[in-house]
Amino acid sequence: NFMLTQPHSVSESPGKTVAISCTRSSGDIASNYVQWYQQRPGSAPITVIYEDNQRPSGVPDRFSASIDSSSNSASLTISGLRAEDEADYYCQSYDNNMEVFGGGTKLTVL
Amino acid sequence: QVQLAESGGGLVKPGGSLRLSCAASGFTLSDHYMSWIRQAPGKGLEWISSISSSGGVINYADSVKGRFTISRDDYKNSLHLQMNSLRAEDTAVFYCARAGGNYGDAFDIWGQGTMVTVSS
Repeated sequence: NFMLTQPHSVSESPGKTVAISCTRSSGDIASNYVQWYQQRPGSAPITVIYEDNQRPSGVPDRFSASIDSSSNSASLTISGLRAEDEADYYCQSYDNNMEVFGGGTKLTVL
Repeated sequence: QVQLAESGGGLVKPGGSLRLSCAASGFTLSDHYMSWIRQAPGKGLEWISSISSSGGVINYADSVKGRFTISRDDYKNSLHLQMNSLRAEDTAVFYCARAGGNYGDAFDIWGQGTMVTVSS
């Protein structure tokens, strides 16, 4: 099966923009939807992006995402960073009836 | 209110068994693709098993295949995970999660998790 690789950590200052990548090891990133989840310490994950670039109601439009077939990766972008965005972020996709999560990225808002 | 609530976690010795349950409220569990996902202490999310809405398609991660069994009780609107031959590396918070709801194939509803500790 395939793997999704994310950077272990990223950090940025409040008000700035940060991008978190998620690279698929094999198979086409565009062949199956990518989701993004936010997890704060001690809490269950919540969906911030589904179906590659769709934002659930209630998620600020500061959160956006895209797919890049040339690099076989997905990217979550958070603009206008706020202290409350500090959390772990996971990408997720599936293939052959198997769900796959990325290793997670710890976002620190400095 | 649409929610999931796991139970059944605890401390178990290596080689032992445990049965987790996930009670659904506010929706019919059998209308959805349901999964168990775990998170070892300080680690990331790991999908371990799913059951389709029909119940006819069940899948497991290689790490638990042959040891864990997912099932569903449609009368009680609950999901279960029977875990046998437990190992220290199975220590984790176990979440049940719903897909095929508000957000396409994404896991849109998660339980609060139940902790499983495998230790002698």
